[in-house]
Amino acid sequence: QVQLVQSGPEVKQPGASVRVSCKASGYTFTSFFLHWVRQAPGQGLEWMGVMHPNVGTTIYAQRFQGRVSLTRDTSTSTVYMDLSGLRSDDTAVYYCAREKPSSYCFDYWGQGTLVTVSS
Amino acid sequence: QSVLTQPPSASGTPGQRVTISCSGSTSNIGNNIVNWYQQLPGTAPKLLIYNSGQRPSGVPDRFSGSKSGTSASLAISGLQSEDEADYYCAAWDDSLSGYVFGTGTKVTVL
Repeated sequence: QVQLVQSGPEVKQPGASVRVSCKASGYTFTSFFLHWVRQAPGQGLEWMGVMHPNVGTTIYAQRFQGRVSLTRDTSTSTVYMDLSGLRSDDTAVYYCAREKPSSYCFDYWGQGTLVTVSS
Repeated sequence: QSVLTQPPSASGTPGQRVTISCSGSTSNIGNNIVNWYQQLPGTAPKLLIYNSGQRPSGVPDRFSGSKSGTSASLAISGLQSEDEADYYCAAWDDSLSGYVFGTGTKVTVL
């Protein structure tokens, strides 16, 4: 069965960087786009960016340009999301999600990773 | 700064029909398909409706979606207590070259 398993919670200081991983299993890793979405406490969903693991191409949301980077390791079927210059308003649950082919929707989600930014 | 607008809340008694609206523009809903997600408290979102009106396997047919122009709607008929959740519409936005979510609607079963 399709699974996306994310790394554990992180606590970071303002200005630091964080890396969250998303390990895929149960399907052909290089055939599906993987997106990242975050949700601040009590707030809505916010799209951050997408990667196609086969060729490594990425698209980032404008508001995260220059601060976010998506990379992948095809040998372990893992996508990494790096976010730099952390601020207190980056405190959120970060999700990875697989895109259903040709539908611009996310059919499988990771369990979420809480990133807390605090001094 | 969501570009898709939803009412913050909706409610109904068990068995009633509840409708949630999602208002956008030509760059998102007007030219692209709309998807809907359900998020139960403390859990990851779940795909509820895709391609504006299709249901993934396992989603009850009580849930239906439609789109007209730059707006979309989600209907829940025969409301049940387990439908109490947050609901989000979403679409690709051509102007932003990114995916956008609605502001979210909290459904309460009275």
